[in-house]
Amino acid sequence: NAGVTQTPKFRILKIGQSMTLQCTQDMNHNYMYWYRQDPGMGLKLIYYSVGAGITDKGEVPNGYNVSRSTTEDFPLRLELAAPSQTSVYFCASRSSGQGSGEQYFGPGTRLTVT
Amino acid sequence: AQSVTQPDIHITVSEGASLELRCNYSYGATPYLFWYVQSPGQGLQLLLKYFSGDTLVQGIKGFEAEFKRSQSSFNLRKPSVHWSDAAEYFCAVGINTGGFKTIFGAGTRLFVKA
Repeated sequence: NAGVTQTPKFRILKIGQSMTLQCTQDMNHNYMYWYRQDPGMGLKLIYYSVGAGITDKGEVPNGYNVSRSTTEDFPLRLELAAPSQTSVYFCASRSSGQGSGEQYFGPGTRLTVT
Repeated sequence: AQSVTQPDIHITVSEGASLELRCNYSYGATPYLFWYVQSPGQGLQLLLKYFSGDTLVQGIKGFEAEFKRSQSSFNLRKPSVHWSDAAEYFCAVGINTGGFKTIFGAGTRLFVKA
């Protein structure tokens, strides 16, 4: 059981470039989330999904897009990268079962935009 | 609006000493409460969670937390800290609003001195 996997681990982008951060989970979880983590700021929710084909914005969605074509995958797309998107990105998933609020996190992707 | 406050940005504790990390939340209903730990370069791992019932909850690695409704607090404790406990700790509130969302505090970094 791999849990939540994210690729790449590190990436440097130039301003204006685009990229996709990959996230896959093998726990058959319905709920998936993308967060960004900036120093001293905790985690901020970018987008989330409650199941295949259903996505919704979180607190800080601007500059990002997501899709959820399968239960397993939840890629995050950055269009026209900006320095403000320099951050560590975490993908997480959780079951939709009762009392199962625990989220399982991937190892993160460290992105630098210069 | 819902929020989570961790008043201590960092704490230094001697190995073997006791630990208490503070967490206060703002939420109108009974919340789902979590403590996560993040080791350097890693994703977040759940330490413990509270949904209902006994207000003192036990977690992994010898941690416990107590929910105090009157104080809107969910402080994390450990009676004897080990050097391997050095990490960043996040308190979080889970909100069930048609798509379970988790709001994280800014984190408390724990340093352990020999």
